[in-house]
Amino acid sequence: AQSVAQPEDQVNVAEGNPLTVKCTYSVSGNPYLFWYVQYPNRGLQFLLKYITGDNLVKGSYGFEAEFNKSQTSFHLKKPSALVSDSALYFCAVRGASYNQGGKLIFGQGTELSVKP
Amino acid sequence: NAGVTQTPKFRVLKTGQSMTLLCAQDMNHEYMYWYRQDPGMGLRLIHYSVGEGTTAKGEVPDGYNVSRLKKQNFLLGLESAAPSQTSVYFCASSWGIIQETQYFGPGTRLLVL
Repeated sequence: AQSVAQPEDQVNVAEGNPLTVKCTYSVSGNPYLFWYVQYPNRGLQFLLKYITGDNLVKGSYGFEAEFNKSQTSFHLKKPSALVSDSALYFCAVRGASYNQGGKLIFGQGTELSVKP
Repeated sequence: NAGVTQTPKFRVLKTGQSMTLLCAQDMNHEYMYWYRQDPGMGLRLIHYSVGEGTTAKGEVPDGYNVSRLKKQNFLLGLESAAPSQTSVYFCASSWGIIQETQYFGPGTRLLVL
């Protein structure tokens, strides 16, 4: 069965420091991996995705993520955090199957708090 | 483009009442989805549609019905609301189903008393 784990409910970072939000996954076959961000009382916004190719994926707002097949991880990173990055971050995976319309399996979310 | 829109934004229901949530997208996407978001559980798929006139069950379909009479609209119905259906509901749409990004609406917050 497909699954996604975000081991940290909350990550606290000082502004200007690098940040990492962790994600590990389990899926049969090749994974398609996504990161979304949710600001308070808003919908989910797409940040980046890994489909194939280069393991380092660059996305919106200076975020990037590294796909590591051997560790089944897809950690989200940013070299220098901003207070405005404070939000709820979701990792999601979709297997290479048409089962259930290609539904996304979401992690439980990680609350990122960036302090000035 | 408005993207994905949802109405209403917020609603309070009494147990046993019915309501319909409307999702509309102007991106000509074939695929549409309804998710619910509950604290600590991420998002879970309720129903989805792979095209006009088609619908299918997702992970947590019980107590919900859907219809996709027009390509741009995807309706989620609660025939007899229960407190367990208190949640935030998100609609999403995409071009395709495997590699394509899903784009989400702003959500509908539903409280069932």
